[in-house]
Amino acid sequence: EIVLTQSPGTLSLSPGERATLSCRASQSVSSSYLAWYQQKPGQAPRLLIYGASSRATGIPDRFSGSGSGTDFTLTISRLEPEDFAVYYCQQYGSSRTWTFGQGTKVEIK
Amino acid sequence: QVTLRESGPALVKPTQTLTLTCTFSGFSLSTSGMCVSWIRQPPGKALEWLARIDWDDDKYYSTSLKTRLTISKDTSKNQVVLTMTNMDPVDTATYYCARIQGGSYSPIDYWGQGTLVTVSS
Repeated sequence: EIVLTQSPGTLSLSPGERATLSCRASQSVSSSYLAWYQQKPGQAPRLLIYGASSRATGIPDRFSGSGSGTDFTLTISRLEPEDFAVYYCQQYGSSRTWTFGQGTKVEIK
Repeated sequence: QVTLRESGPALVKPTQTLTLTCTFSGFSLSTSGMCVSWIRQPPGKALEWLARIDWDDDKYYSTSLKTRLTISKDTSKNQVVLTMTNMDPVDTATYYCARIQGGSYSPIDYWGQGTLVTVSS
């Protein structure tokens, strides 16, 4: 089973700043089948990025994903007030078992 | 419009079996490439993937929970059912069902609102 480790656990930033979130896999993620989700309190997660770098429908271009193999990054170029939330990475390259990271909380500094 | 809704008991006792139903609309689980997955989230904690059922009735389970989980579908009713045996207080969580379009190697694109299940005597 692929274990995903996200860092940092919490990121304290101000609106307008750049956020860089990391997701590291215990083994290579096949064909970059890596997704990022955003979750706000009391809500279900929302798909942001799939295939490591493709934005989902309706996602602003301030969100970008990169990486391959075992190291992946989600970047938010300029934080908007609505971007403060918890972000999860997920691998779906192992068809039999999927896994999520433990999450990174982006909070207002 | 794709929607998913989870239903089931809000409270179960330890050792009991939990049965959750996901009722969906806007797609058919008989369509090639369609899948439904269950994910849970204990209060204040991370998401945990539980199981997935595909359009061709292939089924996949979390390695750590596979002995306790069973997933099934009723295509005619647009429902997916998850059962989890031998419930324990650590299984207290919000349980989500979610859709995947495009087969196993596709991300989750729609989520239900989730249902909170508390395990307590």
